[in-house]
This record gives sequence, structure tokens and C-alpha cells, in this order.
Amino acid sequence: GAVVSQHPSRVICKSGTSVKIECRSLDFQATTMFWYRQFPKKSLMLMATSNEGSKATYEQGVEKDKFLINHASLTLSTLTVTSAHPEDSSFYICSATAGSGNTIYFGEGSWLTVV
Amino acid sequence: KNQVEQSPQSLIILEGKNCTLQCNYTVSPFSNLRWYKQDTGRGPVSLTIMTFSENTKSNGRYTATLDADTKQSSLHITASQLSDSASYICVVSANGGSYIPTFGRGTSLIVHP
Repeated sequence: GAVVSQHPSRVICKSGTSVKIECRSLDFQATTMFWYRQFPKKSLMLMATSNEGSKATYEQGVEKDKFLINHASLTLSTLTVTSAHPEDSSFYICSATAGSGNTIYFGEGSWLTVV
Repeated sequence: KNQVEQSPQSLIILEGKNCTLQCNYTVSPFSNLRWYKQDTGRGPVSLTIMTFSENTKSNGRYTATLDADTKQSSLHITASQLSDSASYICVVSANGGSYIPTFGRGTSLIVHP
């Protein structure tokens, strides 16, 4: 069964609004969570890495004020897309690991459509 | 710079045939290498994970090999099925305190009946 749960799986929002995506590790403590973005037929693009209790580390070119990441507990990380624009429409995936050398488990992904 | 290169970029095979996907990496110091299968619109699912001392690991019809000396890995799929159509992603992690894995761009496999 799934060990990383992502919610919602699909969301449609209006331009200018904010939308939150949750990523939960179900049966292990995720010391590190990753957020990715994936455009159709393209590879995963790492957006940011978050460690529980500390600020996320964003990849170059990713706006930290637009993509707010919170990793408040060892089982939950959230990605908030603020002031969404149609070009933010994409497939967002999270992954979680208990630490170096451990398997990285992926969530099922969230389809975001901004209209 | 840590890099993971996968080949071919895409592959089309007939159902029942075998195929091999390649992954070359420059990640150092090496910790482990994972192969994932990603169906369209779904999150990636782990197929195998290999550490430095392992040179082959199987998961059903999937067999991964690792040559840590040449920094190469392969994923062999035996007797392909239509459901094998997906993207296969090679992910390599380094030792030394960083948990950030390096992703390959993936190989898109299409299995035709």
C-alpha cells in the first residue's frame, strides 16, 4: 500500500488564488521531503528539499515566495502555490525519505489546473 | 557536478520481447542507485535499490545491474507486457550528509501488442 499520501490528487483553482497540496508519510517518519514539478512527457524537476523543522532549500529558478513549503512535522509537508497563474498548471509530486540510504517513496502526485 | 544520464531517451518494443535500459552516473561518493517506474500521471514506484556492494538485483521480470567501477547501471525487462509501458527513472544518491538524490531524465518505454 501507499506509504506517502498526497492530497488533493486533482485541483482546479482560479487565477490569483492560492492552493495548498499536502504530502503525508503514512507509516514512517520522513526526515526529508522533496517537491517536484513535472510537465507532460518531461522528467521530474526538483523544486525544493525540506527537512522537518527547518526552512526549505529551493532549487535555482524556483520562487520561494510563490511556492511556499512547510515541513512542520515528521509526517507532513505542504506546498502552497500562491497567486496562481495558468502557467503554474502542472503535475506536482512529493517524495519522502527516512534518511540517507533509505528508499525514497513518492506520492501519487497532484494535478493543478489554474483557470 | 553530479549527473545521471539515461539511454535511450525512448524505446518502442513488441510485447513479449526483452529490453535493456542504461544509466550512467558521475555521482560521488556513491551511496545507492534506484530504478523507478512512473506511469503517466502517477507518482514513481520503486523497482530496485542497489548499494555499492551489490551488482545485481531482481524484482520479478525486472533485473537491475550495477558496475560501481564504471559507474553504470542497467535495467533489464524480460518478456515485456503492455503494462510495462511507462517512464523508467534512474536515481543516484551520494554519501556525505546530503540526502538530495540526482535524477536521470528517464527512458520512455512503449510496449506494442
